[in-house]
Amino acid sequence: GAVVSQHPSRVICKSGTSVKIECRSLDFQATTMFWYRQFPKQSLMLMATSNEGSKATYEQGVEKDKFLINHASLTLSTLTVTSAHPEDSSFYICSARERQSGVTGPQHFGDGTRLSIL
Amino acid sequence: GENVEQHPSTLSVQEGDSAVIKCTYSDSASNYFPWYKQELGKRPQLIIDIRSNVGEKKDQRIAVTLNKTAKHFSLHITETQPEDSAVYFCAARERQGSTLGRLYFGRGTQLTVWP
Repeated sequence: GAVVSQHPSRVICKSGTSVKIECRSLDFQATTMFWYRQFPKQSLMLMATSNEGSKATYEQGVEKDKFLINHASLTLSTLTVTSAHPEDSSFYICSARERQSGVTGPQHFGDGTRLSIL
Repeated sequence: GENVEQHPSTLSVQEGDSAVIKCTYSDSASNYFPWYKQELGKRPQLIIDIRSNVGEKKDQRIAVTLNKTAKHFSLHITETQPEDSAVYFCAARERQGSTLGRLYFGRGTQLTVWP
């Protein structure tokens, strides 16, 4: 089955540090990847959509200079939380959409990254 | 944009009983409706999905029905087992083309199956 690998799974760091999270589709090509944020016992909040080779599209209220997204290849997207502060602590999950012929493919999720800023 | 409502927020059933979770969506152009299961601290896992040209889809104990006219879809789990306990999310995807084909999620249903 389609596997999305996300690293690291857990980050604990000091306020002001920048944190980079990687998301890879291991056995399929993903023209589109999505980044979500999830608070405890809440739903998934879409932060941004990235297409390979182009700039990411951010949802309203998400600071693009704070959350830098790079989608350099069909299998890799990265999210960098710049100068992270305690309010950025959350569970970040990436998702990759399968490239399928003729139809829009399903989305598969990574394991998520629990970010804790001290 | 799309708005997805999901009910109930919590659902408790006895092992062996059926569980039904319902969702409504607002954008009639949405054309794909997946369901995800998320266990505590883990990734959302796609369990079943349905496209707008189909009214029902079944996979063993899990089935999904779609009523395009009423803009609602439901997840049915039969013969529930304790390992079915998790949070279930429904989602609706905007039609790709002029949009990004984003998924909009419901708020989730915490399903607990008692042995």
